[in-house]
Amino acid sequence: QVQLIESGPGLVKTSQTLSLTCSVSGDSIKTSTYYWTWIRQHPGKGLEWIGYIYSSGDTYYNPSLKSRLAMSVDTSKNQFSLNLSSLTAADTAVYYCARGVGPTMELHWFDPWGQGTLVSVSS
Amino acid sequence: SDELTQATSVSVSPGQTARISCSGTTLASQYAYWYQHKSGQAPVLVIYKDSERPSGIPERFSGTSSGTTVTLTISGVQAEDEADYYCQSGDKNSPQKVFGGGTKLTVL
Repeated sequence: QVQLIESGPGLVKTSQTLSLTCSVSGDSIKTSTYYWTWIRQHPGKGLEWIGYIYSSGDTYYNPSLKSRLAMSVDTSKNQFSLNLSSLTAADTAVYYCARGVGPTMELHWFDPWGQGTLVSVSS
Repeated sequence: SDELTQATSVSVSPGQTARISCSGTTLASQYAYWYQHKSGQAPVLVIYKDSERPSGIPERFSGTSSGTTVTLTISGVQAEDEADYYCQSGDKNSPQKVFGGGTKLTVL
């Protein structure tokens, strides 16, 4: 059974960089052909797709976040990470990691997801 | 990327049928996916590629598609189905994904 668990600071300051990690068990990031994805949910709002990193290291980011975003993979730890810079209060959200399943980067869906981690941005 | 529109809330009594719709122009050419999200838990995929049901998802969950609208139907709703439901689709020209705003299903 594949499980994903997010970890990171619950509180970060405005203008700083957020670093989150997703630990994967039950599957190998290195050998799999999935799109390792980050999604967030602002308080009381819907879901926002942030972007993904493929096992090869290829990435695709939401254009609205692209200039502040970087994702990476650590195959030795079976983890993938998100770095989001120049934080503002608008980045306060629950951040989820998920496995993107499907044949192509245009055609995939998310299964399973992590439980999410709340990140609050404050000065 | 396109937007997906969902009703804010739907209420049904136990045993009734709940229908949750999602509309958007991208749905005319892209598949839809549905996720069940209970507070404090990980979202769960309940329908993929418009109407396919993952293993382990009860048969009472089904999906249909017509033009720019997709519908998640839950037949014989149970109290445990109370949750937020999100539709998701893609963009035929890019890997970008889009979610609907979510529909809160209340079981009366």
